[in-house]
Amino acid sequence: AQSVSQHNHHVILSEAASLELGCNYSYGGTVNLFWYVQYPGQHLQLLLKYFSGDPLVKGIKGFEAEFIKSKFSFNLRKPSVQWSDTAEYFCAVNADTGRRALTFGSGTRLQVQP
Amino acid sequence: NAGVTQTPKFQVLKTGQSMTLQCAQDMNHEYMSWYRQDPGMGLRLIHYSVGAGITDQGEVPNGYNVSRSTTEDFPLRLLSAAPSQTSVYFCASRQGERSPLHFGNGTRLTVT
Repeated sequence: AQSVSQHNHHVILSEAASLELGCNYSYGGTVNLFWYVQYPGQHLQLLLKYFSGDPLVKGIKGFEAEFIKSKFSFNLRKPSVQWSDTAEYFCAVNADTGRRALTFGSGTRLQVQP
Repeated sequence: NAGVTQTPKFQVLKTGQSMTLQCAQDMNHEYMSWYRQDPGMGLRLIHYSVGAGITDQGEVPNGYNVSRSTTEDFPLRLLSAAPSQTSVYFCASRQGERSPLHFGNGTRLTVT
């Protein structure tokens, strides 16, 4: 069975600080990886996704993520956060074959202080 | 351009009551799913469907039923509500394994 771990539960940063949120998954085969963001009171929105090819993927709003297969990781990064990035961030994974169920991590709450 | 539509937005139930959360999508997506979101636990999959007439259990299916009689609709039924089912419920759909999930706006359910 696939699973996802997000080790940072709550991160507090000042504006312009750099961000890195960890995501590790467990699954032995080929996976599809996603990062979603949930702003207060809203539903989840896609930030970026990785299926194959260049392991460094760029998403919306200046976010990027790097897939490191040997570490089963897909960490999210942003060089300089803004107050508007305050939100909860979820990593998600599904196997590339068969079952299409997407498994989510427990989320990381990011608070950016002005 | 409706996407995924969930109703109701809010619901309060008494223990033991039953109800159905509605979900409809107009994107002709084969895959639909229901998640519950609880603080510190992320989104947990309740049930999902890969097409009309096909449903399967997710991580936390107990106390919930689903059916998929059409491609568009995927209702979630609470058979006998319990306080542990107090949560925010999200319906989502996608076209394939490499497609992102499209989420509804959620239903906040309180069971007293």
